[in-house]
Amino acid sequence: DAGVTQSPTHLIKTRGQQVTLRCSPKSGHDTVSWYQQALGQGPQFIFQYYEEEERQRGNFPDRFSGHQFPNYSSELNVNALLLGDSALYLCASSLAPTGVVNEQFFGPGTRLTVL
Amino acid sequence: QKEVEQDPGPLSVPEGAIVSLNCTYSNSAFQYFMWYRQYSRKGPELLMYTYSSGNKEDGRFTAQVDKSSKYISLFIRDSQPSDSATYLCAMTVSGSARQLTFGSGTQLTVLP
Repeated sequence: DAGVTQSPTHLIKTRGQQVTLRCSPKSGHDTVSWYQQALGQGPQFIFQYYEEEERQRGNFPDRFSGHQFPNYSSELNVNALLLGDSALYLCASSLAPTGVVNEQFFGPGTRLTVL
Repeated sequence: QKEVEQDPGPLSVPEGAIVSLNCTYSNSAFQYFMWYRQYSRKGPELLMYTYSSGNKEDGRFTAQVDKSSKYISLFIRDSQPSDSATYLCAMTVSGSARQLTFGSGTQLTVLP
């Protein structure tokens, strides 16, 4: 079992550009959540996808958007990049929301640097 | 004010020491409480979770939740150099489909 995989590992962009990050969930998981972790901070919830729909969203602007594919993999897109978007972007997979908290398995993250 | 406050440390202890890590929170709706461990350049991994108030023990790790004080703790007994990592508390409201709210993390170093 490969666990949660993310690509790319590192990415350098300039202000105003757009970026796409990718995530493949752990085998058997159908729900993907995305988090942003700034240096020295805890992860902040961006949004969650289940059944190819955005189910929950944190306090992030519309520049952050996502998609989930039929195979449960997911993409995070960020438009009009700002310096403050520099962070580690974490993907977490889990089983379908049932009202019971199941473990979220995190990937290693994508380190985004905006210059 | 952040919903979850966590002392960032850094915390440095000798091998074998008992470590106490703590978080306070302001949202009384939080029902599930977790502790994650994050090694450098890795994603967080779940150590323990508890529901509502009480204690939970798993090997060298003990998690405590005091909802009346909005205070949670993680104790590590007989700490080892391999425990050196950043420890993140996280919590979620029951039925919120796993939108986790994290603390800022405490960096722990266990010296051999």
